[in-house]
Amino acid sequence: GQNIDQPTEMTATEGAIVQINCTYQTSGFNGLFWYQQHAGEAPTFLSYNVLDGLEEKGRFSSFLSRSKGYSYLLLKELQMKDSASYLCAVMDSNYQLIWGAGTKLIIKP
Amino acid sequence: DTEVTQTPKHLVMGMTNKKSLKCEQHMGHRAMYWYKQKAKKPPELMFVYSYEKLSINESVPSRFSPECPNSSLLNLHLHALQPEDSALYLCASSPTGLAVTYEQYFGPGTRLTVT
Repeated sequence: GQNIDQPTEMTATEGAIVQINCTYQTSGFNGLFWYQQHAGEAPTFLSYNVLDGLEEKGRFSSFLSRSKGYSYLLLKELQMKDSASYLCAVMDSNYQLIWGAGTKLIIKP
Repeated sequence: DTEVTQTPKHLVMGMTNKKSLKCEQHMGHRAMYWYKQKAKKPPELMFVYSYEKLSINESVPSRFSPECPNSSLLNLHLHALQPEDSALYLCASSPTGLAVTYEQYFGPGTRLTVT
């Protein structure tokens, strides 16, 4: 079966750094996406990795290791507005997105 | 125009009603999607249209009926829904059809309550 695992909830402090991990087992791999979703709102695209390594985009970075079936999203200089759910999604061999359950990130002052 | 719009934002309907959800994008995207999302769960794919043709139907009950009148519009017709169908219904689009990897752009969703 296809499976994506990420922690259910994480807490971090404003101004700090947090790393949200995602491990996956899917039938084929055509890229990994990270989305941010605030409560009651639509997911918004954050990053895309298809090759191994680190992709940096401002305060957010995403890392991929295909051999380990592992990715992480790194958020730096945390702000209160970063409190949201972070969804890891893998595009499988049929080009369908397989979604993780999401990690709820709570930022404390 | 770089957004996906959805109407209505909120919808309350009885189990015998017929209603429609609408989605529109003017980014020239050729793939459009309907997702259903329950609270604290990830989005669940329902339908995919690629180049205005239904490409994927994830075994969705027939009380949900999608329609793609043209490349910019996507409708979801609802009939005889059940209370468990209450959820956030998300529309998304991506630049090309299936078999190509692109991020999906989501609309704000329609919050549906079935009474």
